[in-house]
Amino acid sequence: LAKTTQPISMDSYEGQEVNITCSHNNIATNDYITWYQQFPSQGPRFIIQGYKTKVTNEVASLFIPADRKSSTLSLPRVSLSDTAVYYCLVGDTLNTGGFKTIFGAGTRLFVKA
Amino acid sequence: GAGVSQSPRYKVAKRGQDVALRCDPISGHVSLFWYQQALGQGPEFLTYFQNEAQLDKSGLPSDRFFAERPEGSVSTLKIQRTQKEDSAVYLCASSYYGTGRDEQFFGPGTRLTVL
Repeated sequence: LAKTTQPISMDSYEGQEVNITCSHNNIATNDYITWYQQFPSQGPRFIIQGYKTKVTNEVASLFIPADRKSSTLSLPRVSLSDTAVYYCLVGDTLNTGGFKTIFGAGTRLFVKA
Repeated sequence: GAGVSQSPRYKVAKRGQDVALRCDPISGHVSLFWYQQALGQGPEFLTYFQNEAQLDKSGLPSDRFFAERPEGSVSTLKIQRTQKEDSAVYLCASSYYGTGRDEQFFGPGTRLTVL
């Protein structure tokens, strides 16, 4: 099973760009890389997903190098409301068609004014 | 449209009691997941359903934990003879397909406290 490693915590200031890198050395060929955001007392929320190169949506960008052993979530111009825990996960699709999701400990991002 | 809902939101149980936690997934979603999240930790996978079939229960910590989804929609996670170490937030998520590239939609969780 592919596991992930992320920094435990990061601090930033409002308006800055934040990059959170995740390592997943054992990623399988068919695995996708997904990032979730979690606020206190809420369930995680999907942010972005990618397989290789770069993906961008309205809230973030995801950079994946050619070897796919790591990925970087980029949050442009963060605000106080971006203070949350960010999880990087790699999908493990079972032969039976299921999908076992492995969350790590996540990265606690604290945005300061 | 309604998202994933869970009930109760909070549950306090005495050690040794049985509890049942309910999850109402998004209508039409094929896949349903249960997770356990301890304080300060990431969610830990418990079990996975595709429609009514439980395809993976490898994350259930003991045989005191049992999950079902008899009609392929609502799911119940049951914990028998609760122990203090069962105290956690139990999250339910659903997804339309359940493949490795399918977004999971999470409920707010049920916070279980075992005294």
